[in-house]
Amino acid sequence: DVKVTQSSRYLVKRTGEKVFLECVQDMDHENMFWYRQDPGLGLRLIYFSYDVKMKEKGDIPEGYSVSREKKERFSLILESASTNQTSMYLCASSETGPPSEQYFGPGTRLTVT
Amino acid sequence: QQQVKQSPQSLIVQKGGISIINCAYENTAFDYFPWYQQFPGKGPALLIAIRPDVSEKKEGRFTISFNKSAKQFSLHIMDSQPGDSATYFCAASFNGGSQGNLIFGKGTKLSVKP
Repeated sequence: DVKVTQSSRYLVKRTGEKVFLECVQDMDHENMFWYRQDPGLGLRLIYFSYDVKMKEKGDIPEGYSVSREKKERFSLILESASTNQTSMYLCASSETGPPSEQYFGPGTRLTVT
Repeated sequence: QQQVKQSPQSLIVQKGGISIINCAYENTAFDYFPWYQQFPGKGPALLIAIRPDVSEKKEGRFTISFNKSAKQFSLHIMDSQPGDSATYFCAASFNGGSQGNLIFGKGTKLSVKP
């Protein structure tokens, strides 16, 4: 069964802390994605990666960075967390080739106080 | 041109009724249009998808209608059930979604009343 796991379901951090969100997929997918989901704004793409050590900015990359050292793992980093980064963060993966279904993890609800 | 506009933002339907969610796009280069379904506490999951070479695709009670000239597509849920209560996202992609990069609508929260 296809599986995307995220390291935490709920996370509470303080303003200015460095935050790591981890995502692991067990499907040998080439593509991995990080989204944030906010009410009324839908899913907004933060970063994505088509291969190991490769990354591309999405629509809202400001304040975030990513790391992909291994094919199965894609990390989202908040260098200095701010209250406006309080959100639900969703990781997804997909294989290359049409059509490409994205498989999502359960999400991490991050609260920055 | 990269946006996908989705409406309504929320929808309440009686059990057994038809739920209709609409999406519109501007970029004619889009060629893959999936719908994702998200239950509370879960990540979205692919529900059904269509390519612009067909005008309709049906899977069980779920149907996508596609109007290429109007650049619109919609999801119809027939005989809606309380278990269909979820948030629905339309999306669009280039190159048949070959690279997996999707542009999502803002979502519709569907509530089906028993």
